[in-house]
Amino acid sequence: DSGVTQTPKHLITATGQRVTLRCSPRSGDLSVYWYQQSLDQGLQFLIQYYNGEERAKGNILERFSAQQFPDLHSELNLSSLELGDSALYFCASSVASGAPYEQYFGPGTRLTVT
Amino acid sequence: AQTVTQSQPEMSVQEAETVTLSCTYDTSESDYYLFWYKQPPSRQMILVIRQEAYKQQNATENRFSVNFQKAAKSFSLKISDSQLGDAAMYFCAYRSAQGAQKLVFGQGTRLTINP
Repeated sequence: DSGVTQTPKHLITATGQRVTLRCSPRSGDLSVYWYQQSLDQGLQFLIQYYNGEERAKGNILERFSAQQFPDLHSELNLSSLELGDSALYFCASSVASGAPYEQYFGPGTRLTVT
Repeated sequence: AQTVTQSQPEMSVQEAETVTLSCTYDTSESDYYLFWYKQPPSRQMILVIRQEAYKQQNATENRFSVNFQKAAKSFSLKISDSQLGDAAMYFCAYRSAQGAQKLVFGQGTRLTINP
């Protein structure tokens, strides 16, 4: 158990819908990262937040957005869902936003778009 | 942009034997970190081992060791005395020491352990 929690574990929804994935980082971790794992694209970095502020952006679609709240939990919002958005979405956290700090991964949320 | 390549989609090894998984990467940076992550059927991403580019000594964690060749941009993982619990997808990953802290992953190698 990494200490990172993600809810829900599984999500099934229809095309065109909107969903919210939630992540709670390890106690004391200020930085949160979101990754997408799909058959087509492999594991891809989406976005990073540090202490409430967006720090880095990767291959995140405009239909996707994220935020980190004052209690440091983070939410990833996916809208206008398409079949290709079906994937495993990971959240990871680290103590700070610096190279020596390890990223600890949550168990992931499996999203299925039908 | 940095890229990571794992040229072996699948590997298999007999239990108790040794297996080596290959990884190459491309970067123009001189300071960075390399990682091997394990993803068992549970899908949890588990850090196996890390290597700092500025360190010449290869990292070792129990039965897991790496062969880091900086000039060749190669970073292989050796698993000794393979166990059934080692069966998983293994991902090689790169992270810059400066700027964005994102992990860049290879496509993965599926390792099967034969009893």
